[in-house]
Amino acid sequence: AQTVTQSQPEMSVQEAETVTLSCTYDTSENNYYLFWYKQPPSRQMILVIRQEAYKQQNATENRFSVNFQKAAKSFSLKISDSQLGDTAMYFCAFSMGTQFYFGTGTSLTVIP
Amino acid sequence: DTGVSQDPRHKITKRGQNVTFRCDPISEHNRLYWYRQTLGQGPEFLTYFQNEAQLEKSRLLSDRFSAERPKGSFSTLEIQRTEQGDSAMYLCASSTSLGGFSEQYFGPGTRLTVT
Repeated sequence: AQTVTQSQPEMSVQEAETVTLSCTYDTSENNYYLFWYKQPPSRQMILVIRQEAYKQQNATENRFSVNFQKAAKSFSLKISDSQLGDTAMYFCAFSMGTQFYFGTGTSLTVIP
Repeated sequence: DTGVSQDPRHKITKRGQNVTFRCDPISEHNRLYWYRQTLGQGPEFLTYFQNEAQLEKSRLLSDRFSAERPKGSFSTLEIQRTEQGDSAMYLCASSTSLGGFSEQYFGPGTRLTVT
């Protein structure tokens, strides 16, 4: 079975600073996808960034980047130049194509 | 297209009643998913449709739960004889299988409260 673990229930960061959210996963599969989703308060989930397991290069999307360590089964999200609008729940997710497995989330608060 | 929509956004029901939720996916998306999210947890997969065919069901989907997607467009999720443990946010997501892997786009969810 696939499991996704987020060990940081809550985090905070000062505006304009950098923060890293951790995620580990467990799978015996070799081909899969990893994602970070953002769920702002009372709003729907949106995709922040995704990583294909077969790609060694870490994905980046503007201020968001990942550190993908396949052997360690680790997939952390780095948010640079944090903005107030980054305040949200962040979910790490794993998929092999159809079914998605989500972690329990990290609540991030950006402090002005 | 305005994205994935769900109706109603909130539902309060008494234990033992039946409830039905609707999801309208993005129009060109042939895949549709239902998830349940409880407080402090990430979404848990319930079921998945490709077009009108229900291809996967989680063990979480007890026999009180039934989902349909009769014409391969909108989907309904019905819960019969609701229990307090059914209180949760029910999320719908859609994606396309065309051109390889596609991300899931989520709706705003239906929050169910069973009293």
